[in-house]
Amino acid sequence: AQSVTQPDIHITVSEGASLELRCNYSYGATPYLFWYVQSPGQGLQLLLKYFSGDTLVQGIKGFEAEFKRSQSSFNLRKPSVHWSDAAEYFCAVGDPFSSNTGKLIFGQGTTLQVKP
Amino acid sequence: SQTIHQWPATLVQPVGSPLSLECTVEGTSNPNLYWYRQAAGRGLQLLFYSVGIGQISSEVPQNLSASRPQDRQFILSSKKLLLSDSGFYLCAWRVGPYLDYGYTFGSGTRLTVV
Repeated sequence: AQSVTQPDIHITVSEGASLELRCNYSYGATPYLFWYVQSPGQGLQLLLKYFSGDTLVQGIKGFEAEFKRSQSSFNLRKPSVHWSDAAEYFCAVGDPFSSNTGKLIFGQGTTLQVKP
Repeated sequence: SQTIHQWPATLVQPVGSPLSLECTVEGTSNPNLYWYRQAAGRGLQLLFYSVGIGQISSEVPQNLSASRPQDRQFILSSKKLLLSDSGFYLCAWRVGPYLDYGYTFGSGTRLTVV
């Protein structure tokens, strides 16, 4: 069964600094990969997704993520963090061979704090 | 347009009381629907999913049940709440026919069992 690990529970960065949130997955092939963001007390919003093709994917709000098969990773990056990026970030994987049921497995989440 | 509604937003219930959380989707038909729970420090846990009316799959044995009485309605229930049922409950639906379409989430229900 697939699984997702987000090694960093909490990260603090200064506004304007670069950001990288780590995500590692366990799966026998290339899964479907997603990053979601959750503002306090709110639902989740999709930032970006990867299925195949170019391993560097662009998302909303200036985020990007890079799929690295050799490292089983899908890390989220942003060149310059804004105070409004403070939120909780979730990495998720889906089994492309179970596409009909469409279950997503989420990591534990990383809470991002932005210092002024 | 396609939207998802979830209510109530906040709920405080005593131990042993029943629970009913409702999720409805507008602007689509025959969506895949999902219930997730987010407990403090534990990420999102998939509880139930449904690929059609009356079709419910349970991912985690627990004190909860789910039903789908109508195509775009998904209900999460409990006959007797436990303290451990506290958490943030999220409903989601899949935008398209395949997983690569991703999910859209409702705004969630904060349940506190006292």
